[in-house]
Amino acid sequence: KAGVTQTPRYLIKTRGQQVTLSCSPISGHRSVSWYQQTPGQGLQFLFEYFSETQRNKGNFPGRFSGRQFSNSRSEMNVSTLELGDSALYLCASSLDETGSDSGANVLTFGAGSRLTVL
Amino acid sequence: DQQVKQNSPSLSVQEGRISILNCDYTNSMFDYFLWYKKYPAEGPTFLISISSIKDKNEDGRFTVFLNKSAKHLSLHIVPSQPGDSAVYFCAASALSNTDKLIFGTGTRLQVFP
Repeated sequence: KAGVTQTPRYLIKTRGQQVTLSCSPISGHRSVSWYQQTPGQGLQFLFEYFSETQRNKGNFPGRFSGRQFSNSRSEMNVSTLELGDSALYLCASSLDETGSDSGANVLTFGAGSRLTVL
Repeated sequence: DQQVKQNSPSLSVQEGRISILNCDYTNSMFDYFLWYKKYPAEGPTFLISISSIKDKNEDGRFTVFLNKSAKHLSLHIVPSQPGDSAVYFCAASALSNTDKLIFGTGTRLQVFP
């Protein structure tokens, strides 16, 4: 079973540009979440999509946006890039079976897209 | 405001000994807790979880303890192995919304021979 695939793995942008990152979830997983990882800040929740709808949103500015397609693939976009946006962006997918303690709602992460803003 | 805190950024343990990683949380709405392990250049991988109806959960060498009154959980690894060297993240969520995880800042564990 293929894991969560994120593209591109590495990219370099300059301030003011915009970037789009892609995520293909595990087959059958309906929920896709995005996290930003920076040194000293851990993983910060960006947003979560389910059935093409944003279901949860973290505390990030409107420059950060995302979407999910009918095949559950997801993209996130960051516009007007700032130096502080340099980070590892992680996508995770899950089956979304609420109320279970069996681990069914465990998030499976991709390897991430490392963005450097110059 | 950091709702999930891992106050030890690093921990060094000898192979064969016990590793204890700690995590504190502030939000009393959290009722589902997980530990993830992350190697460099890889995404975090799920290790073990616990819901608030339990105070202990074991899986092989890994045991998670939950103290709800203290809003504290810990991960015990016994015996520690060099392959356990990684960054460990504690995460919390509400059972009704386990797709929104709040992570701690991580603890880097180094297990030396």
